[in-house]
Amino acid sequence: QQQVKQSPQSLIVQKGGISIINCAYENTAFDYFPWYQQFPGKGPALLIAIRPDVSEKKEGRFTISFNKSAKQFSLHIMDSQPGDSATYFCGGGTSYGKLTFGQGTILTVHP
Amino acid sequence: KAGVTQTPRYLIKTRGQQVTLSCSPISGHRSVSWYQQTPGQGLQFLFEYFSETQRNKGNFPGRFSGRQFSNSRSEMNVSTLELGDSALYLCASSLIGLAESTDTQYFGPGTRLTVL
Repeated sequence: QQQVKQSPQSLIVQKGGISIINCAYENTAFDYFPWYQQFPGKGPALLIAIRPDVSEKKEGRFTISFNKSAKQFSLHIMDSQPGDSATYFCGGGTSYGKLTFGQGTILTVHP
Repeated sequence: KAGVTQTPRYLIKTRGQQVTLSCSPISGHRSVSWYQQTPGQGLQFLFEYFSETQRNKGNFPGRFSGRQFSNSRSEMNVSTLELGDSALYLCASSLIGLAESTDTQYFGPGTRLTVL
């Protein structure tokens, strides 16, 4: 059972453009929604996260938009840079150290 | 503060063998979670340990097991290896494993296991 569906699988954006990655979840027990960024050869690193009682969170060029009624959330990367090229994972969290991840989106930002 | 370390970084085994992977969490972190990452299945949760006790478990067969020591270091064992076990095995540590914004999971670089 895939509890978190992520789209698109891959995304190509020009430098300076906006990158948008979407996720939909099924498990209403999730109370924590992180986005992780992973570079080749590295483990995932937390980028930004949101709780379901907040509809939007912004940190620098990264914004999470959260729609609890639709059970959807998205990551927006403004002014995308070549250094943002990586794989992005959305996730849903419950207690006791378990994160359920989407399939990942490979983002390529062309200079 | 040192990050999460995993050893070894790369392993090559043959079918039927067993393997043990090691994870040292960030100092002060007591929760360690393990994940399997493959191109087809993405990141899948294996299990979580806190204070030497397994608190949570994913949907993996009993060939996958783990343990945690009193210093919070954790090991993962896979017995009777199958070709499909080839993957990147990641461990993540957090303070108490509450999966919330105040208790971020920090991932190690992973152990790349290849089963021939």
